[in-house]
Amino acid sequence: SQELEQSPQSLIVQEGKNLTINCTSSKTLYGLYWYKQKYGEGLIFLMMLQKGGEEKSHEKITAKLDEKKQQSSLHITASQPSHAGIYLCGALTFLSGNTPLVFGKGTRLSVIA
Amino acid sequence: EAQVTQNPRYLITVTGKKLTVTCSQNMNHEYMSWYRQDPGLGLRQIYYSMNVEVTDKGDVPEGYKVSRKEKRNFPLILESPSPNQTSLYFCASSWTVTNEKLFFGSGTQLSVL
Repeated sequence: SQELEQSPQSLIVQEGKNLTINCTSSKTLYGLYWYKQKYGEGLIFLMMLQKGGEEKSHEKITAKLDEKKQQSSLHITASQPSHAGIYLCGALTFLSGNTPLVFGKGTRLSVIA
Repeated sequence: EAQVTQNPRYLITVTGKKLTVTCSQNMNHEYMSWYRQDPGLGLRQIYYSMNVEVTDKGDVPEGYKVSRKEKRNFPLILESPSPNQTSLYFCASSWTVTNEKLFFGSGTQLSVL
């Protein structure tokens, strides 16, 4: 199945610092989703991107999908302890049919005081 | 409140003892799916269902069964659990499989001894 590569695998940042997480595919992405997961809990939807060059923001989190629709980045500005968790990207690599979402392996974010 | 409900939240069992993890959604979603999450492997899809009476294998279906007799319910059945099925399981649903965000349950932590 299609693989999504996430980087870095883990990240430790000091509170107040900015950070970026990347999600890369070898195929065109027809829908790119970002989720956040608190340890051992369910996934919470953050944002969905569909168009090349699209950018969305929610509070201090901004997600972008590149023009070629093969890479997305998630940027957190002025990180806070509440941002800690696992961030996962999920993607659709076909426009129709029975192909469901595939997920990256996640990026574990820790925010320290 | 719109939600996906999984039960139980935690389960410890022994090898070979049949078990069922229930999943129910109250959003009239057509698409439902089961994932397992393991350290270093990320989220992997077990089975999914496009609609009532329609189910398909995901990436790791061996050792699992599902059924979709009603739109709202999508139970995961382990006929003869083995220790390698110890994992965190998530049920998810959406209106359709394409261009729709997935709603996730809170997860079921299963330990097979």
